[in-house]
Amino acid sequence: DSGVTQTPKHLITATGQRVTLRCSPRSGDLSVYWYQQSLDQGLQFLIQYYNGEERAKGNILERFSAQQFPDLHSELNLSSLELGDSALYFCASSVVSGAVYNEQFFGPGTRLTVL
Amino acid sequence: GNSVTQMEGPVTLSEEAFLTINCTYTATGYPSLFWYVQYPGEGLQLLLKATKADDKGSNKGFEATYRKETTSFHLEKGSVQVSDSAVYFCASGGSYIPTFGRGTSLIVHP
Repeated sequence: DSGVTQTPKHLITATGQRVTLRCSPRSGDLSVYWYQQSLDQGLQFLIQYYNGEERAKGNILERFSAQQFPDLHSELNLSSLELGDSALYFCASSVVSGAVYNEQFFGPGTRLTVL
Repeated sequence: GNSVTQMEGPVTLSEEAFLTINCTYTATGYPSLFWYVQYPGEGLQLLLKATKADDKGSNKGFEATYRKETTSFHLEKGSVQVSDSAVYFCASGGSYIPTFGRGTSLIVHP
């Protein structure tokens, strides 16, 4: 158990819909990362937050957005969903804002299926 | 930008065989390097790491050495077990945007 929790575990929805994925980091970790994992694209970094502020953006679509709340939990919002958005979405947390010298702790993931 | 390249899988081995999974990186400066493992149905978990050149990370019989001259961080294990079957990811740190390889699937047969 990494200490990172994600809900829901599975999500099935239709094209055009909007969903929210939730992540709670390990106690004491200020930094949260979101990743998308699909068979054809591998593990793609989406976005990072540190103590409530956006720190880095990766391959995140404009239809996707995220935020980190004062209690440090984070939410990833996916809107106007397309079939290609079906994937595993992972949240990870770490102690500091960068990946320098610090490993990330991953949650179990949310499997999103868009029909 | 930074990148990580690792050998494509799947790698299929018999129990007690020797394992090598190659990983090379490109980066500005000298990033920390990591190997993560993902067991079926789970998230990634750190297997080992190295923070500077010539460092050797080790855990659960796995080892990897940070080679600056060849920009490599190959994962090795002397004798694999069926329970090692998983997907292995090489990753580099050193910036706000972490960089992961595409993952190498390892299948170990009894």
